[in-house]
Amino acid sequence: GESVGLHLPTLSVQEGDNSIINCAYSNSASDYFIWYKQESGKGPQFIIDIRSNMDKRQGQRVTVLLNKTVKHLSLQIAATQPGDSAVYFCAENNYGQNFVFGPGTRLSVLP
Amino acid sequence: DGGITQSPKYLFRKEGQNVTLSCEQNLNHDAMYWYRQDPGQGLRLIYYSQIVNDFQKGDIAEGYSVSREKKESFPLTVTSAQKNPTAFYLCASRKTGGSQETQYFGPGTRLLVL
Repeated sequence: GESVGLHLPTLSVQEGDNSIINCAYSNSASDYFIWYKQESGKGPQFIIDIRSNMDKRQGQRVTVLLNKTVKHLSLQIAATQPGDSAVYFCAENNYGQNFVFGPGTRLSVLP
Repeated sequence: DGGITQSPKYLFRKEGQNVTLSCEQNLNHDAMYWYRQDPGQGLRLIYYSQIVNDFQKGDIAEGYSVSREKKESFPLTVTSAQKNPTAFYLCASRKTGGSQETQYFGPGTRLLVL
């Protein structure tokens, strides 16, 4: 069936470096994507979203890139801080159908 | 202060007991969702509701039940038929069930079996 997945389950980066978290999706009809951040014991927090008619969207210190040709989504975090340590999920939505979530990538920021 | 609230934060269930998890939102969202989260796995959809007095089963509805009597509330009951209920339960809502609408989550309820 259709699924959303992540290439790396764990990512460790030095404080101040940039982080890149990747996500592969298999449903070519998906038209809307969201990145969430989840800290331990808390609910997922919305970070940024992107629609399929765009290939890049920027927020505060975060950028999402969408490559529909290879069905790939990435989240870039600039100048990673200790507070960025969390699990990051991508989610896809197919024209109003329910979201499909990947298992997540754990980002660990090293001092 | 708008948002989604879930209670309790922790819930203990005895074998054979039904328990109910509360989810309330004051965002005026039409659609509400319940997910189950297990370690190392993505969120799995239990039930969802697009409008009041209507709801549909998700991927793992067996052993669970819901109601949607009010727009603001979408309680989830974990019945005794759910043999492995230990998990982190997340409630979410969206403005509508249509495309390209962001889904927001509550803080979660952790259910443990005694």
